[in-house]
Amino acid sequence: NAGVTQTPKFQVLKTGQSMTLQCAQDMNHEYMSWYRQDPGMGLRLIHYSVGAGITDQGEVPNGYNVSRSTTEDFPLRLLSAAPSQTSVYFCASRLSTGPPGSPLHFGNGTRLTVT
Amino acid sequence: KNEVEQSPQNLTAQEGEFITINCSYSVGISALHWLQQHPGGGIVSLFMLSSGKKKHGRLIATINIQEKHSSLHITASHPRDSAVYICAVRFRGVGETSGSRLTFGEGTQLTVNP
Repeated sequence: NAGVTQTPKFQVLKTGQSMTLQCAQDMNHEYMSWYRQDPGMGLRLIHYSVGAGITDQGEVPNGYNVSRSTTEDFPLRLLSAAPSQTSVYFCASRLSTGPPGSPLHFGNGTRLTVT
Repeated sequence: KNEVEQSPQNLTAQEGEFITINCSYSVGISALHWLQQHPGGGIVSLFMLSSGKKKHGRLIATINIQEKHSSLHITASHPRDSAVYICAVRFRGVGETSGSRLTFGEGTQLTVNP
């Protein structure tokens, strides 16, 4: 298994540009999620999905869209990039959603800079 | 407000030392995770626990539900243990409707010198 594959590893955008961060997992996990990591703060949930066709907002969803057309893929779209979206983004998946849940599997992260 | 506090923020140790990282949380939880973030940025899950104690190699995680506190111990520390260690909790009552949401601590930067 490749686990959670996240691309690209680095990206530089100009303000106003759009882009999609890709995330794929081959572990048949129900739950997929996107986090951002900023200095001095814990990981914060952007959007999540509990299965194909189901998505919902997390803690900091503004400026981002997601879709879950298949179990394997969960892309994150930046609609109009802003400097405040400069961050490191992580995709994560887990097998089940009921309590207490199951361990999270993380992608390697995308370092995004918006100028 | 549901919160997760980690201490210390930074920890420097000599190779071979016994290390303890602490995590406290504000209200009841259904699960607590310990994660390791490598200097290259990748994050791996070390433990998920809801009670008692778990051990994997030189790593031991304990949780005291009554005191709302968990510790991560590293025995015989080694420079390759240098990383950020992150505590994350699932507060009780946070179910599928909230996306099994985890609340993360800010992390503890551990440096082990040879």
